[in-house]
Amino acid sequence: QVQLQESGPGLVKPSQTLSLTCTVSGVSISSGDYYWSWIRQPPGKGLEWIGFIYYSGSTDYNPSLRSRVTVSLDKSKNQFSLKLNSVTAADTAVYYCARGPSGAVLFDYWGQGTLVPVSS
Amino acid sequence: DIQMTQSPSTLSASIGDRVTITCRASQSISSWLAWYQQKPGKAPKLLIYKASSLESGVPSRFSGSGSETEFTLTISSLQPDDFATYYCQQYNSNSYTFGQGTKLEIK
Repeated sequence: QVQLQESGPGLVKPSQTLSLTCTVSGVSISSGDYYWSWIRQPPGKGLEWIGFIYYSGSTDYNPSLRSRVTVSLDKSKNQFSLKLNSVTAADTAVYYCARGPSGAVLFDYWGQGTLVPVSS
Repeated sequence: DIQMTQSPSTLSASIGDRVTITCRASQSISSWLAWYQQKPGKAPKLLIYKASSLESGVPSRFSGSGSETEFTLTISSLQPDDFATYYCQQYNSNSYTFGQGTKLEIK
């Protein structure tokens, strides 16, 4: 079955770069059938789409985060990654990786999420 | 950006009740709307896509309707497992925004 699992540092300092990896099992990220996305949720708040990557390497990002975000693929490891630079306390959130069908940016499989506090 | 506004923010209901949650888009999104259910400490779960299509494995008591700017999620007969927070999400255009959520509580 399809599974996604986020991993990365549990704490990031302000002004540094947040880096997370999503390991996918049960489906190849090289399949052209899916987009691979990052979504976040500040504690007690709603959901915000961050960006996605397609198997070809093409990406799309939330305009509000575009200047600070990079999403990349590692097909050899069946993983995709998120980098968010120049973080502040406002970037403290649970970060989820998720899959969606190509052609529709919705999310049918999600990782369990990982809380990343930004604090000195 | 397309803004998504859900109402109500909180809804109290009893087992067996029929409940409806509304989601309004700030501009037309055709039928490019999804609904998710989220329980505390868990990732959201996709319930409905393309406004009214039921995701595989989701109970038939969930249904969605609407188009353009106004959409509804209906639960025909509330079950104990349904008490959760519900989010709508538009996927018509970047930045694929979510509503603020509707918390469904036990009355």
